[in-house]
Amino acid sequence: EADIYQTPRYLVIGTGKKITLECSQTMGHDKMYWYQQDPGMELHLIHYSYGVNSTEKGDLSSESTVSRIRTEHFPLTLESARPSHTSQYLCASSRAGDYGYTFGSGTRLTVV
Amino acid sequence: QKEVEQDPGPLSVPEGAIVSLNCTYSNSAFQYFMWYRQYSRKGPELLMYTYSSGNKEDGRFTAQVDKSSKYISLFIRDSQPSDSATYLCAMDSSYKLIFGSGTRLLVRP
Repeated sequence: EADIYQTPRYLVIGTGKKITLECSQTMGHDKMYWYQQDPGMELHLIHYSYGVNSTEKGDLSSESTVSRIRTEHFPLTLESARPSHTSQYLCASSRAGDYGYTFGSGTRLTVV
Repeated sequence: QKEVEQDPGPLSVPEGAIVSLNCTYSNSAFQYFMWYRQYSRKGPELLMYTYSSGNKEDGRFTAQVDKSSKYISLFIRDSQPSDSATYLCAMDSSYKLIFGSGTRLLVRP
C-alpha cells in the first residue's frame, strides 16, 4: 500500500505547455526528492527538500521548479514542456538521517 | 567514469536458483548501501539497507558489503518468478543517494 502518491501516472502533452506533477506523502517525512529515470539508466536527482520552505536543485540540470509549502506536498512544475523532458519522474521521501527512501509509482511524461 | 557501476543484464535463471547481483563503486566515503527492487511501471522499493562492511540477511535475501574492494552484492536464495524485476543498488553521498543503472532479473518458471 503506497504512502506516497504521484499523479498523474501517465501524461502526454504538447510542446510549450505548462505542467505540474503532483507528489504527496502521508508519512510525515521531512525530506522529499524528485528523480528522473530513463530506461536502462540510473536515477538522477533533479530537486530535493529538507522541509517546509526548503528546496534545492539536484545534480541534473533541469528547467523544472519545485515548492514545499506543506510537509506532505512536493509538486514539480515545468513552465514550458519540451520533447527532451520526456522521461519518468519519480518522487521519494525519507525521514531526516534515513537513507531508506520510499518512492512513488512515478509519472511517465511524454512531450510531443 | 560513473561512481556506481552495475551490470544491466538481463540475467535469466531457472526458478529455485541462487542469484547473485553486484555493484562496484569508486567513492570510499560511502557508508550506507541499499538495494532496491523495481517492477515494471512502478517506483523502486527498498529491499535491504546496510551500514559499512559485512553481511545482512532478511529471509531469502542477503546483502554483502566489502568496502576494501568497493564491491557490494545481493544474493537471492530459492529465486521465484515473482522476483523478476530490476534491482538497483544505491549508496549515500552527503545529501542524496547515488543509484546504479539496475540489473534486470528474469526468473523462469
